[in-house]
Amino acid sequence: DARVTQTPRHKVTEMGQEVTMRCQPILGHNTVFWYRQTMMQGLELLAYFRNRAPLDDSGMPKDRFSAEMPDATLATLKIQPSEPRDSAVYFCASGLARGDRGQGSRGEKLFFGSGTQLSVL
Amino acid sequence: GIQVEQSPPDLILQEGANSTLRCNFSDSVNNLQWFHQNPWGQLINLFYIPSGTKQNGRLSATTVATERYSLLYISSSQTTDSGVYFCAVADGGVWTTSGTYKYIFGTGTRLKVLA
Repeated sequence: DARVTQTPRHKVTEMGQEVTMRCQPILGHNTVFWYRQTMMQGLELLAYFRNRAPLDDSGMPKDRFSAEMPDATLATLKIQPSEPRDSAVYFCASGLARGDRGQGSRGEKLFFGSGTQLSVL
Repeated sequence: GIQVEQSPPDLILQEGANSTLRCNFSDSVNNLQWFHQNPWGQLINLFYIPSGTKQNGRLSATTVATERYSLLYISSSQTTDSGVYFCAVADGGVWTTSGTYKYIFGTGTRLKVLA
């Protein structure tokens, strides 16, 4: 089965350290999303890419977060320096963006990875 | 931005019971999806349903886009249905080939099915 792969599954680090999370989207998908899930804020959109180009990263704290797609098979989310308030589960999702599907439906069906559970001490 | 509200926030059912979960949104949408987050945290796409009705086994969903709501029906619930159900909407902007949509998630309905 095609799936979105995220690594690592768990990460424990100390405040101030750099954290890199990786995502391999489903082969052929052209849109990648990064979400963060916390109890207080729920699922928040951090950034997303279409055909490797960043379309919106307004949900990310710019001073410490960065997201890139070095190639079509890899998306990365970096935090430098990390802080305890960054502790959360980070999800990557991918989809295949299409034009009008009819019935007014557009966009992509999202498929999520298993997430990276980050703890910053 | 578009607001997404889900109700009820929590639901406890006896195995075999039926339930209806609701998702209200504040503006027109191009896309609506339902997800189940299981107790292990995995988010599973249940339905891609910007309008109309779809069924998948014991689950079905209906979206009435003109009235800005969607319903998820669970029939003959099982303990494996436990978890959190989210709806996510993409706002109804003008589609362009270079554009995409922000998918905004509701706060979810936490379902527990008792054996």
